[in-house]
Amino acid sequence: AQSVTQLDSQVPVFEEAPVELRCNYSSSVSVYLFWYVQYPNQGLQLLLKYLSGSTLVKGINGFEAEFNKSQTSFHLRKPSVHISDTAEYFCAVSDRAAGNKLTFGGGTRVLVKP
Amino acid sequence: DGGITQSPKYLFRKEGQNVTLSCEQNLNHDAMYWYRQDPGQGLRLIYYSQIVNDFQKGDIAEGYSVSREKKESFPLTVTSAQKNPTAFYLCASSTPPGMEAFFGQGTRLTVV
Repeated sequence: AQSVTQLDSQVPVFEEAPVELRCNYSSSVSVYLFWYVQYPNQGLQLLLKYLSGSTLVKGINGFEAEFNKSQTSFHLRKPSVHISDTAEYFCAVSDRAAGNKLTFGGGTRVLVKP
Repeated sequence: DGGITQSPKYLFRKEGQNVTLSCEQNLNHDAMYWYRQDPGQGLRLIYYSQIVNDFQKGDIAEGYSVSREKKESFPLTVTSAQKNPTAFYLCASSTPPGMEAFFGQGTRLTVV
């Protein structure tokens, strides 16, 4: 079964500093990859997605992610964070070989400090 | 506006009672999903449906039931067999199945 691992449960970062959130998934032939953001007591909002093509994907709010097939990773980055980026971030994988089941990682809580 | 509506936002029930959470979408999406969110555990898949009148168990289906009689609706029943039902429940939809999912605002269920 597909599994998604977010290596950091919490990431504190100073405002205007860069941040990287790590995501690894178990190997599969055909997957779609997603990053979502969740603000307190709300649903999830899509930041970006990888379906095919270029391995560097740009999303909303200045976020980008890089798909690395050999390392089965999909790390999320932002070069300069704002206070408003304080939220929880989830990596998700859709495994087309497993009935399009959408599996999420455990989440990474980002706390941006002034 | 198109979207996913979950109701109610907050729900309180006594232990041993069944409770049904509503999820409606007007996005004309084929697939719908139910997730449970607990602190530090991310989102865990309860049930999902790729088409009307068909659904599959997710990773933590025990103690839950669903139906998919209409494309727009995917209600989740939390039964008395669910040992620890207090959680935040999220409904999502996508089309085609497996593509980016759109989420509702969630229902926070508290069982006392």
